Formats: sequence, C-alpha cells, structure tokens
Amino acid sequence: GAGVSQSPRYKVAKRGQDVALRCDPISGHVSLFWYQQALGQGPEFLTYFQNEAQLDKSGLPSDRFFAERPEGSVSTLKIQRTQQEDSAVYLCASSSRRLAGGRVHNEQFFGPGTRLTVL
Amino acid sequence: AQTVTQSQPEMSVQEAETVTLSCTYDTSENNYYLFWYKQPPSRQMILVIRQEAYKQQNATENRFSVNFQKAAKSFSLKISDSQLGDTAMYFCAFMKRSFGNEKLTFGTGTRLTIIP
Repeated sequence: GAGVSQSPRYKVAKRGQDVALRCDPISGHVSLFWYQQALGQGPEFLTYFQNEAQLDKSGLPSDRFFAERPEGSVSTLKIQRTQQEDSAVYLCASSSRRLAGGRVHNEQFFGPGTRLTVL
Repeated sequence: AQTVTQSQPEMSVQEAETVTLSCTYDTSENNYYLFWYKQPPSRQMILVIRQEAYKQQNATENRFSVNFQKAAKSFSLKISDSQLGDTAMYFCAFMKRSFGNEKLTFGTGTRLTIIP
C-alpha cells in the first residue's frame, strides 16, 4: 500500500483480556517501530525491528507486552492480561534506512494508530 | 539518554501570520537528526521538516523553516503565512545517528490553533 496501515483502529478490552494489534508497513521498509502515546503526551518508544530481527525491546513496559515480525513485513504487538494503564494510542512507524542521492533516508512514516481502551 | 522539551503546551495565531514553536533538547551525542512532526486531529503523524546536526545551514520546506542552534541545543520551527490546515499538534523529535536502532525521542508537543 501507499502508507503504513494499522488495525484495528479502535479496540476496547476488558481488564485481563489479551489484545493483538497489527501493523502493515510500507512495502520494502526495513525498519519498523512501535510507539505508545498516552493522552496528551508525545509518543514513547516501545520496540524496534530490522527486517524480522527485534533489535531493541527496551521500551516495552512489562513482560505482558510482546511484539513480532516473523517474515520481516507485517508486525503484531500483543498485550496480555491488559490493565487500565495500558490505555493509549499505539503507533507503528516504518523507515527505509537507505542511502540515495548522498542522503540517508531515515524518516519514519507513521500509521494512523490503534486507540486501545481498557475498561 | 536524550530528552526533548517543548515548553509551549498551546499556541494560537491568526491566519496568515507567522508563528514560532520552541524546542530544546539534551544529549551527549554529536551526530544526530532533529525532526518536527505534525499530528492533525485525525492522529496520523506527518513529517514536517528534518535537520542533520552536522549541517550548519537551517532546513527549509516551503513555509516551514527551522532555527537550529547546536551549541544552545535549540531547534525552533517557524511557520510563515499560517493556514487553517496548519492546526495540529506539533512534536519535536531527536534521533541519534546510528546503524542500529534509530528510534525517535519526542517532546510533549505544542497544540497550535490557527484562527480564521
């Protein structure tokens, strides 16, 4: 597709339920990032993939959070046993990380996000 | 660790006027990138402008320009001839130059309203 897509756009979960959030990056983009954006705040880094390898998961807030990108394209962020503090917008971004025209193209392109509400 | 500070939670300006959004950052890195992202009410984050720290020349993109002061660790965004479509949250972001994880560190944002 032309841009990064995420699904679902909205998710309501009861406390204790598991949820799975999907990200389809721009075709051919090597890098994929997940961010968490609480209400009224800037996005905060969760985890990073380069192709299928998860190179940094230092931002994941607890072991209830798990992310994967098994074929180096689509990624899924899974949250187990959701808590109210998990309520936020989850943003996915992708980047090509290529060198062209003497310039490093490392801009991140963001999806529309998934708004998760935990009741 | 890097930190990004945006000290103006909200700003408003009349249409066609010029507005400047402030951003300061703290880092011990010498090679990095700085970005301004715009997040309209629909929530999809859009890149406005980027600056490479090793370049002294300030970046410009049409009506958008930056004032990059590396020694002061300041990176402000100027929007000229503001338009109603400029109404959005604006986030300043830092990226360490790396061959590994190029994650973004964001500020808390400035909500900009353009008044007709």
